[in-house]
Amino acid sequence: AQRVTQPEKLLSVFKGAPVELKCNYSYSGSPELFWYVQYSRQRLQLLLRHISRESIKGFTADLNKGETSFHLKKPFAQEEDSAMYYCALGGGETSGSRLTFGEGTQLTVNP
Amino acid sequence: NAGVTQTPKFQVLKTGQSMTLQCAQDMNHEYMSWYRQDPGMGLRLIHYSVGAGITDQGEVPNGYNVSRSTTEDFPLRLLSAAPSQTSVYFCASSYSFRLNTEAFFGQGTRLTVV
Repeated sequence: AQRVTQPEKLLSVFKGAPVELKCNYSYSGSPELFWYVQYSRQRLQLLLRHISRESIKGFTADLNKGETSFHLKKPFAQEEDSAMYYCALGGGETSGSRLTFGEGTQLTVNP
Repeated sequence: NAGVTQTPKFQVLKTGQSMTLQCAQDMNHEYMSWYRQDPGMGLRLIHYSVGAGITDQGEVPNGYNVSRSTTEDFPLRLLSAAPSQTSVYFCASSYSFRLNTEAFFGQGTRLTVV
């Protein structure tokens, strides 16, 4: 069975500090991983996916198959990054869009 | 563009009452799904549909029914509401079920069962 774990429910940093949101997964096949973000009073939206290998809003995430991790990083946090972040795992070759979500990490960036 | 629209945004039910949460998408997406969001538990899949007339159970289907008579609509029915169903419900759609495509979410329905 596939599983996603986000060990930190709450994460608080100061503006300008580096931030790392941890995500670990369990999956027997070739994983497809995503980060979704929910800003206050907004709907959940895609932040980035590992296959794109892109940086969005200064965030990057690298898939580490050896450690089964997909941590989200940003070198200099901004107050507008405060949000709930969810790591998600796709369902594989036959059910790619069936997502399994982690528990979520509430990030607060303090001024 | 409307995207995914959920109604209502808020609802209070008494234990035992039934209701339907509406979800509609205007993107001609094949895949639609319902999640519930509970503190500390993330989003858990309730039911999903890979096309009109096809539905299947997710991780937490008990107490909920769905149907998909059209590509656009995917209502979620609570048969006999229980306090354990107090949650925030999200509907989502994706272009394809098989491929890893972006999921688009509705704005959520906050349901309280008293």
